[in-house]
Amino acid sequence: GAVVSQHPSRVICKSGTSVKIECRSLDFQATTMFWYRQFPKQSLMLMATSNEGSKATYEQGVEKDKFLINHASLTLSTLTVTSAHPEDSSFYICSASDEGFYEQYFGPGTRLTVT
Amino acid sequence: QKEVEQNSGPLSVPEGAIASLNCTYSDRGSQSFFWYRQYSGKSPELIMFIYSNGDKEDGRFTAQLNKASQYVSLLIRDSQPSDSATYLCAGGPGGGASKIIFGSGTRLSIRP
Repeated sequence: GAVVSQHPSRVICKSGTSVKIECRSLDFQATTMFWYRQFPKQSLMLMATSNEGSKATYEQGVEKDKFLINHASLTLSTLTVTSAHPEDSSFYICSASDEGFYEQYFGPGTRLTVT
Repeated sequence: QKEVEQNSGPLSVPEGAIASLNCTYSDRGSQSFFWYRQYSGKSPELIMFIYSNGDKEDGRFTAQLNKASQYVSLLIRDSQPSDSATYLCAGGPGGGASKIIFGSGTRLSIRP
């Protein structure tokens, strides 16, 4: 149980375009989802925390107008990278959890390459 | 600034030996701690979590927590080549719905 999926697993886009990444909890309801970014040989950096039905809470230094997060249902959150640039190329990972859970469950990640 | 610190390694351990991974944290409000294993190009997978002072064992893995010293460790017994990965320590206030702070990770290499 507690499976989280992400789509797409890999995406290549041109500079200036927008990319949407989906994160789904497949067998549980996720009141809270987290979005992380990981650059090569670095650790996971939390970008934002999203709670179903409310606005996401962004970490310091993360542009909310560039990284749009929507958590419209208890099983789906989306991250849209707007006007992507090569420096946005990274591994984006979501995780999901619910009240009463001890841990976050991670999705398999999305590799974004901006050319 | 709340921080979780780890030695980046690489830590090289012979197959069959015990690998010892360490982590310190700065936020005394942290109550829950997690060890994740991450293979290259993959997302993290949870190995263990620990909330209470002392040891917690699960198979070949033992997590140790010392809140007074703000120190968390992970021991891997009978190390296998498949244990070669980056190990991430993370801490937070408690509960899966709370955000956690990750350390930079320790690269572990098990040599045959």
